[in-house]
Amino acid sequence: AQTVTQSQPEMSVQEAETVTLSCTYDTSESDYYLFWYKQPPSRQMILVIRQEAYKQQNATENRFSVNFQKAAKSFSLKISDSQLGDAAMYFCAYTSLGGYQKVTFGTGTKLQVIP
Amino acid sequence: DGGITQSPKYLFRKEGQNVTLSCEQNLNHDAMYWYRQDPGQGLRLIYYSQIVNDFQKGDIAEGYSVSREKKESFPLTVTSAQKNPTAFYLCASSISGSYNEQFFGPGTRLTVL
Repeated sequence: AQTVTQSQPEMSVQEAETVTLSCTYDTSESDYYLFWYKQPPSRQMILVIRQEAYKQQNATENRFSVNFQKAAKSFSLKISDSQLGDAAMYFCAYTSLGGYQKVTFGTGTKLQVIP
Repeated sequence: DGGITQSPKYLFRKEGQNVTLSCEQNLNHDAMYWYRQDPGQGLRLIYYSQIVNDFQKGDIAEGYSVSREKKESFPLTVTSAQKNPTAFYLCASSISGSYNEQFFGPGTRLTVL
């Protein structure tokens, strides 16, 4: 079974600084997708960024970028120029392209942004 | 505005009672999902549906039931067989295919008294 591990339950960053959230996963599949979702205090989950495993280039969305290391099964999220609005729970997630069609989430990392 | 709604926001239930959580979407999405969120455990999949009149069990389906009679609606019933139902429940929808972005509702907090 696929598993997603986020080993940092909580992290903090100074406003305007850069922070990296870690995620590792376990799979025997060769083709899959990885996601980072953000859940702010309002608890409304939104997608931050998505990475297709067959693409070697790391995905980027404005201040958010990933470091995807397929061989190491690692998928970290880098937030640059951190803002107060970045404070949230961040969930790493995985899905394969097989028939089961479900998404497996990690346990989340709570990010605090210090003014 | 297109989106996904859940009601009620807060729900209280006495032990032994069944309760139904509502989830509606007007995004024309084929796929819909129910997750349970507990502190320190992330999101766990309860049920999902890729098409009307069809649904599959997720990782923690015991004590829950669903129906998918309309594309827009995917209600979740928490039955008395669910031993620890107090949790935050999230509904999501997406274009068919798990590799697509999931859009989440605002959630329902269920408390068993």
